[in-house]
Amino acid sequence: EVQLEESGGGLVKPGGSLRLSCAASGFIFDIASLNWVRQAPGKGMAWIARIKGKNDGGTIDYAAPVQGRFTIWRDDSKNTLYLQMNSLKTEDTAVYYCITTLFSPNSFDAWGQGTMVAVSS
Amino acid sequence: QSALTQPASVSGSPGQSITISCTGTSSDIGSHYLVSWYQHHPGKAPKLILYEAYKRPSGVSSRFSGSKSGNAASLTIYGLQAEDEADYFCCSFARGSTPWLFGGGTKVTVL
Repeated sequence: EVQLEESGGGLVKPGGSLRLSCAASGFIFDIASLNWVRQAPGKGMAWIARIKGKNDGGTIDYAAPVQGRFTIWRDDSKNTLYLQMNSLKTEDTAVYYCITTLFSPNSFDAWGQGTMVAVSS
Repeated sequence: QSALTQPASVSGSPGQSITISCTGTSSDIGSHYLVSWYQHHPGKAPKLILYEAYKRPSGVSSRFSGSKSGNAASLTIYGLQAEDEADYFCCSFARGSTPWLFGGGTKVTVL
């Protein structure tokens, strides 16, 4: 069974940092392209970062709102995806999901349940 | 790049059909068929119900159908059931700095 489980969310003050983790199982992790997306309260989903698998060179991309503040990386030996979030802003408040493509091309057929990040003073 | 546009809410009675639109631009939906749709019950993981505009993953009910015309894609739910009450959102590959754009989501209510 495919599973993605996010953790690490919580309440943090503006300017603070947080590290999210996404533990994966049930699929070949090291070749999977992995993404972080988020959903702010009352808003739609927004893509924020991607790291490709080893066969694609592990290329990394970020959305403009998080470029320079967030860092995505993966530990293939632990089947875990990470997102380091620095210089957090109130507008980063959202539920964060890790997602990937497994069987259905050009879509995301594996999602975690998400972890909530609240940035507030 | 702007998010894709969806109606905020759609409702229907059991057994009826409803259609949810997802409007983009010539830089995203208008340039390919790489549109996917998701069902999201609050508190649960979103579930893929359509990919590449109209293809259904294994196990997804045939009551879910997709189409695309120009810069817009649509999801139709036939024979609406109580369990279909959820949020639905679309996603499209985009040619730009952000590879994937999402719609704002549509809340489906079964009356």
